[in-house]
Amino acid sequence: DQQVKQNSPSLSVQEGRISILNCDYTNSMFDYFLWYKKYPAEGPTFLISISSIKDKNEDGRFTVFLNKSAKHLSLHIVPSQPGDSAVYFCAASGTASKLTFGTGTRLQVTL
Amino acid sequence: DAGVIQSPRHEVTEMGQEVTLRCKPISGHNSLFWYRQTMMRGLELLIYFNNNVPIDDSGMPEDRFSAKMPNASFSTLKIQPSEPRDSAVYFCASGTGTGGQGRNTQYFGPGTRLTVL
Repeated sequence: DQQVKQNSPSLSVQEGRISILNCDYTNSMFDYFLWYKKYPAEGPTFLISISSIKDKNEDGRFTVFLNKSAKHLSLHIVPSQPGDSAVYFCAASGTASKLTFGTGTRLQVTL
Repeated sequence: DAGVIQSPRHEVTEMGQEVTLRCKPISGHNSLFWYRQTMMRGLELLIYFNNNVPIDDSGMPEDRFSAKMPNASFSTLKIQPSEPRDSAVYFCASGTGTGGQGRNTQYFGPGTRLTVL
């Protein structure tokens, strides 16, 4: 049973435009959410996080939005750059230390 | 500061052989996690430790897999005997979280790509 879902396996966006990556979760006990970026042959790199007491967190070009009632979060990248091309993983945690990851969305930023 | 260190980076072995993957977490981190990444299942948590104690090993696929953390700076994941279906990238991650708001960020190593022939 997949508790964190990323329904879009891939996304292609033009350079300079907005990239929106989506994530849904089913476990209402999750209270902390993270996005990781992964390049080939490297480990996932922490990008940005949000706790359930907020609905938005911004860090430079990256903004994460959380809609608790819909159990949905999204990552916005504005403007998108070719170096943003990677696989993006959504993750969630509750009271335990462990994270539950989605299956990832491959973002391709084209020139 | 050094990040999470994993060795070897690549391992090719034959079915039936024992495989040992190693991990050195970031100094000061008290949680350590072992993950496996495959095309079919994405990133799966195998086991995690808090303060060197195994907390949840429900993700360990079967008895052929075992993990140890003898001290705060070292952990191993062992597969014995290995099978072709164990071929995957294995990641180690460490963090400072013991639960609660804002403390569950994990930092990943570069991974070990395991191929079992």
